[in-house]
Amino acid sequence: EIVLTQSPGTLSLSPGERATLSCRASQSLSSTSLAWYQQKPGQAPRLLIYGASSRATGIPDRFSGSGSGTDFTLTISRLEPEDFAVYYCQHYGTLRTFGQGTKVEIK
Amino acid sequence: QVHLVQSGAEVKKPGASVKVSCKASGYTFTTYGIHWVRQAPGQSLEWMGWINTGSGNTGSSQKFQGRVTISRDTSASTVYMELSSLRSEDTAVYYCARDAGAYDYWGQGTLVTVSS
Repeated sequence: EIVLTQSPGTLSLSPGERATLSCRASQSLSSTSLAWYQQKPGQAPRLLIYGASSRATGIPDRFSGSGSGTDFTLTISRLEPEDFAVYYCQHYGTLRTFGQGTKVEIK
Repeated sequence: QVHLVQSGAEVKKPGASVKVSCKASGYTFTTYGIHWVRQAPGQSLEWMGWINTGSGNTGSSQKFQGRVTISRDTSASTVYMELSSLRSEDTAVYYCARDAGAYDYWGQGTLVTVSS
């Protein structure tokens, strides 16, 4: 079973700053099977990035994904007030696995 | 527009079963699989299983094998997830999600509370 480890657990930043979130897999993944989601309190998750680097429909270009193998990154270039949320990475192979999440909070 | 609409909140006693529905609209139902994901209070997301809405074939996480049953009614464009032998640790929000590889659409979530 693939385990995804996200870091840091919490990221405290100010609006306008850059956020860099990490997702490390316990074994090498196909880049086509790594996604990132955003979740706000009381809401369902929202797909941001699929295939490690492709933005989902309607996602602003301040969100970008990169990486391959076992190391993947979600970058938010300039944080907007609505970006403060929890972010999850997911491997969507035959079995599906989520990381434990990174909370981006206002500093 | 695509919508996944889930059934309402449930309160169950330990040992009982719960069946949650997920009605799809806005696309051809049998074109995409449906997955079930749950989230316990304050916890991460946990994949439970899925159904190929065309063939009816299912798969589930080893953690839930023997306890989860996923089915579909193509005439109603609805998928069902039944979880049996409930225990307090099953208290969570249960989501259905459309399988486009990644999950591009999600239901609103159904809170299942297991309490004596």
